Amino acid sequence: DAEITQSPRHKITETGRQVTLACHQTWNHNNMFWYRQDLGHGLRLIHYSYGVQDTNKGEVSDGYSVSRSNTEDLPLTLESAASSQTSVYFCASSERVGTEAFFGQGTRLTVV
Amino acid sequence: GDSVTQMEGPVTLSEEAFLTINCTYTATGYPSLFWYVQYPGEGLQLLLKATKADDKGSNKGFEATYRKETTSFHLEKGSVQVSDSAVYFCALSDRSTGANSKLTFGKGITLSVRP
Repeated sequence: DAEITQSPRHKITETGRQVTLACHQTWNHNNMFWYRQDLGHGLRLIHYSYGVQDTNKGEVSDGYSVSRSNTEDLPLTLESAASSQTSVYFCASSERVGTEAFFGQGTRLTVV
Repeated sequence: GDSVTQMEGPVTLSEEAFLTINCTYTATGYPSLFWYVQYPGEGLQLLLKATKADDKGSNKGFEATYRKETTSFHLEKGSVQVSDSAVYFCALSDRSTGANSKLTFGKGITLSVRP
């Protein structure tokens, strides 16, 4: 069965370190998204991609970057981790605009 | 821009009670509407969807009707179970804005059902 997987599931890192969260999907979807989930804010879009070599900023993109070198993967990089980036991160993919998105299990990141 | 507003939570109900969770939206074009559910420790999964006005989405006893005139997509269930305890998110995807479209979520509401 097709799926979308995130790794690691849990990560503790120190302030100032670079961190990369992996997202891999086997749906062959063009659209991929990164969200963060925080109490009181719901899900907020960080970055998204509509295909290989395409990346776009979401509403909370500062301090984050993504790259899309193939269809299956959209890694999220925190250039210099800050305590404000402690959150649960979700990756999602969808077939095309307007269709449902499929979510990974999430990565809980703690920055100390 | 697009936005989704959900009623404030959390909501606590007794088993077999009737559930309504309100959701209204603002969109520039012709959105598809979704309800996602997140069980403890898991990612989001699609509960139901509707793609045009007056469509009714349904799944697992939950229903929601796409009301264009009131820009609403309220979630209902006639008799909730303990296993329905989760966080519920209303979302939209505006198909009319092409490459700039994406999923926009409400803040979510936590439902707890007591035995």
